[in-house]
Amino acid sequence: EAGVAQSPRYKIIEKRQSVAFWCNPISGHATLYWYQQILGQGPKLLIQFQNNGVVDDSQLPKDRFSAERLKGVDSTLKIQPAKLEDSAVYLCASSLRPGTSVGPLGNEQFFGPGTRLTVL
Amino acid sequence: GDSVTQMEGPVTLSEEAFLTINCTYTATGYPSLFWYVQYPGEGLQLLLKATKADDKGSNKGFEATYRKETTSFHLEKGSVQVSDSAVYFCALSRYGNKLVFGAGTILRVKS
Repeated sequence: EAGVAQSPRYKIIEKRQSVAFWCNPISGHATLYWYQQILGQGPKLLIQFQNNGVVDDSQLPKDRFSAERLKGVDSTLKIQPAKLEDSAVYLCASSLRPGTSVGPLGNEQFFGPGTRLTVL
Repeated sequence: GDSVTQMEGPVTLSEEAFLTINCTYTATGYPSLFWYVQYPGEGLQLLLKATKADDKGSNKGFEATYRKETTSFHLEKGSVQVSDSAVYFCALSRYGNKLVFGAGTILRVKS
């Protein structure tokens, strides 16, 4: 089974530029998450989609960050304009759907390898 | 809001030593609790979970017990190996939704 795919793996930009990240979840997974992991901290949820609808975007800085999942499959996260403090690893995760108990580990979130963003 | 606190690292142990990484949480209701592991150069992987009080999660020799009375979920392993060197994250989730993570604990095991 293919895992969660993300691209690019690394990106370096100047502040005030824009950047976009792409995520393709595991086939059949209805729920998709974007997390931001700043160096030395745990991941923090930015946005959660259920199919192509937003479930939780309370921690998304909406003045500069946007995300979409138009066909309920892959997703794009955009930052415009970027700030120095946006330097982080952006993680995408997917799960079958919330609250579904499947298998011995329940409704596990599967994470992609992440995109490391450096803003100079 | 919900939060998770982990012991600060790095934790440095010799091979075959006993491991404990402390984790406490603050949350309303009865969250599910998780330990995730991030090996060097790899993505986050679920290590174990527990969904209700007194449940014990276990995997690959690691164990953690959901203690409601002390709001804790400490990770233990009886004999660590060099290959266990990684960053370990404690996390909680309510209703199967977003994960709330601790800051992570770096484990280094020396041969």
